[in-house]
Amino acid sequence: LAKTTQPISMDSYEGQEVNITCSHNNIATNDYITWYQQFPSQGPRFIIQGYKTKVTNEVASLFIPADRKSSTLSLPRVSLSDTAVYYCLVGDPLRAGNNRKLIWGLGTSLAVNP
Amino acid sequence: GAVVSQHPSWVICKSGTSVKIECRSLDFQATTMFWYRQFPKQSLMLMATSNEGSKATYEQGVEKDKFLINHASLTLSTLTVTSAHPEDSSFYICSAYRDEQETQYFGPGTRLLVL
Repeated sequence: LAKTTQPISMDSYEGQEVNITCSHNNIATNDYITWYQQFPSQGPRFIIQGYKTKVTNEVASLFIPADRKSSTLSLPRVSLSDTAVYYCLVGDPLRAGNNRKLIWGLGTSLAVNP
Repeated sequence: GAVVSQHPSWVICKSGTSVKIECRSLDFQATTMFWYRQFPKQSLMLMATSNEGSKATYEQGVEKDKFLINHASLTLSTLTVTSAHPEDSSFYICSAYRDEQETQYFGPGTRLLVL
């Protein structure tokens, strides 16, 4: 199983940088790391994807150490609207197969306070 | 970004009726789409993989005769919940896989309530 471990919840304040770390000890050589954001009663929204080192886009950065057994999603200067659940997913759903089934964990519930 | 739509966004039906949910990739073609369900306060659970032009692949424990999937074109997959019962009430979410990015993009979800 492509299992991931994240903190259940995090609290922050507006304007702060938030870093959410995900552990994925059994990541496979070809696995990408993808992060999604989900608001209540909505489908997950793609945030960022990476394979190694650092990836940055207009909304977030993703840091991946050399061993790739963990990754950190960095949200710069969060606002109230960033309150959501954040999921870390490892692997490719298309190529998962029976022995690399993707599992969605409970994600990290981020609460941004005024 | 890639846009995926779902219709309807919510539906209420009587027990025993069938409900069809559509999933469309609006600005890209998707050979593969996925159907998930999500119960309150829980994570997404993959139900099936929808393949254009071929039969869907169902996850263990998901009844293929109850959850009919049709992927008739590269931009449309449908999920039909047949003979719906109250326990089928859930949030159904589809995703479309974009080959060039090796990433799945999700629809907004469909809330189903079976009375």
